[in-house]
Amino acid sequence: QVQLQESGPGLVKPSETLSLTCTVSGVSISSLYWTWIRQTPGKGLEWIGYLYYNGNTDYNPSLKSRVTMSADTSKNQFSLELRSVTAADTAVYYCAVASSNWFDPWGQGTLVTVSS
Amino acid sequence: EIVLTQSPATLSLSPGESATLSCRASQSVSTYLAWYQQKPGQAPRLLIYDASNRATGIPARFSGSGSGTDFTLTISSLEPEDFAVYYCQQRSNWPPRVTFGGGTRVESK
Repeated sequence: QVQLQESGPGLVKPSETLSLTCTVSGVSISSLYWTWIRQTPGKGLEWIGYLYYNGNTDYNPSLKSRVTMSADTSKNQFSLELRSVTAADTAVYYCAVASSNWFDPWGQGTLVTVSS
Repeated sequence: EIVLTQSPATLSLSPGESATLSCRASQSVSTYLAWYQQKPGQAPRLLIYDASNRATGIPARFSGSGSGTDFTLTISSLEPEDFAVYYCQQRSNWPPRVTFGGGTRVESK
């Protein structure tokens, strides 16, 4: 059974970098595709990007200039970095398994607030 | 970007009634559409993938249909645990892009 758990700071200052980790159990991260999705009351669910098992990535064009996703196979984790954050980046961030055209399962999510 | 429009925004129904939720895409997504259920404080849960396939463990009262631009999620007889928010989601293949609908809240009347 695949399980995912997000972790990282719950508070980030404006203009700084948001860094989150997703720890995966039940499967090797080298064998699947992975994704980050965020949710805000205003914009709803927003896809951030894909991380493929070969390390390649695809990002949402609206975030591409500020996002990096990467994997640490030794720890069976993958990560998200979002640079130059503003209050608009305040959201619940989810990691999930990316299948062909859908996402399942998801982590429980972690709230990140951008504030000074 | 493909826009997904869900309707209605809110559906007020009683347990035992049938729910019909709509998701319309701004251009064809073939059958590359998924449905999720989200309860307060929880992550979305996959219900339906590729428009009409139930995910593992999803009860038979949930069914999906449609192709192209018009899709429907039907809950045949609402159980108390079905009152939640439902989202549709599509993925376009090249370049890979994903969008979600704005959600339909199914509430108890």
